[in-house]
Amino acid sequence: DIVMTQSPFSLAVSEGEMVTINCKSSQSLLSSGNQKNYLAWYQQKPGQSPKLLIYYASTRQSGVPDRFIGSGSGTDFTLTISDVQAEDLADYYCLQHYSSPLTFGSGTKLEIK
Amino acid sequence: EVQLVETGGGLVRPGSSLKLSCATSGFTFSNTWMNWVRQAPGKGLEWVALIKDKYSNYEANYAESVKGRFTISRDDSKSRVYLQMNTLRDQDTATYYCTRWYPGPFAYWGQGTLVTVSS
Repeated sequence: DIVMTQSPFSLAVSEGEMVTINCKSSQSLLSSGNQKNYLAWYQQKPGQSPKLLIYYASTRQSGVPDRFIGSGSGTDFTLTISDVQAEDLADYYCLQHYSSPLTFGSGTKLEIK
Repeated sequence: EVQLVETGGGLVRPGSSLKLSCATSGFTFSNTWMNWVRQAPGKGLEWVALIKDKYSNYEANYAESVKGRFTISRDDSKSRVYLQMNTLRDQDTATYYCTRWYPGPFAYWGQGTLVTVSS
């Protein structure tokens, strides 16, 4: 199974700041066939269902603000949130969908100061 | 508008069975992969099962933790996906989400249904 190591566990920032969340996979998520990285990011606000933000490492889901940027390749990936807003208070998860079983990172709790 | 509505959760005893259902609308169900993802209270997300479409022969995959106990199925005529859960354990206590796969993995989620396994 591919293990996803996500960091940090939590972080607190002020509105307007930038945050980065990291995810490292135990195996490469890069497909040699189509050169896509099979890594996704999700946001789960308190009391809500998760929401897809980013897939194929850097493709933003429709309707997601361009403040959310996914980057990385192979085994190292980053979710960057620029100009953090109060509404970004949430838990964030990475997911590898390269191979079964699909596995999530342990999550990052973003708090707003 | 894409909608996913899960039903069937509840309180059950260890060792018992339960069948979850997910009613969908707003998209072409028959050519969409569907999944179940769960979240134990206060914990992270765990993928449970995937069922592909008819073009992939309805191939199903399962997390190791549920393999042999859970069965995912679908009824394309009703636009529904199901999760039959047998031999339930305390560790299966979670909110179960029905999710649609497209355009990315778990692109759309239902509101979830809570399954509590307790004696």
